[in-house]
Amino acid sequence: AQTVTQSQPEMSVQEAETVTLSCTYDTSESDYYLFWYKQPPSRQMILVIRQEAYKQQNATENRFSVNFQKAAKSFSLKISDSQLGDAAMYFCAYRSVTNFGNEKLTFGTGTRLTIIP
Amino acid sequence: DAGITQSPRHKVTETGTPVTLRCHQTENHRYMYWYRQDPGHGLRLIHYSYGVKDTDKGEVSDGYSVSRSKTEDFLLTLESATSSQTSVYFCAISDTGTALDEQYFGPGTRLTVT
Repeated sequence: AQTVTQSQPEMSVQEAETVTLSCTYDTSESDYYLFWYKQPPSRQMILVIRQEAYKQQNATENRFSVNFQKAAKSFSLKISDSQLGDAAMYFCAYRSVTNFGNEKLTFGTGTRLTIIP
Repeated sequence: DAGITQSPRHKVTETGTPVTLRCHQTENHRYMYWYRQDPGHGLRLIHYSYGVKDTDKGEVSDGYSVSRSKTEDFLLTLESATSSQTSVYFCAISDTGTALDEQYFGPGTRLTVT
């Protein structure tokens, strides 16, 4: 079974600075997807960014980018120019690629990000 | 935003009582999921459905049952609620269920079992 580990329960960053959230995972599969979800105080789960394992290029979405190291099974999220609205719990998640149509998401335990004004 | 609603949004119930949570979608997506969120565990899959009357267990299915009689509704039932089932419950939907396809989450239901 796959596992996802987020070793930083809490992080904080000064507004406008850059912060990196860590995620490692364990799998024996060669093809899979990785995700970062954001959960603000409203509790809504919002997809931030996704990475396909067979793509070497790191995914980027505006101020959010990932550092995907497949051999090391590492998938960190970098938030540049941090804004107050980035304050949230961030979850790393893994999803197999089996094409059976029932691939579930396996989540890490989350990192609570605080933005300091 | 994907059209997903959950009801109720908050519920307090007593140990031993039955509880049913409802997830309703307007997207006509085939796949629906129930997760629970607990501190220190992230989100964990309880049950999922891949079509009307087609359901399967997730990793934490003990004490829960589900039903899907219509595409748009997915019900989660706690037959006899226990304090360990105090949690926030999320419904999610997915069009194809494949890894490429995004899962959209509902707003969550906070359930407290006293």
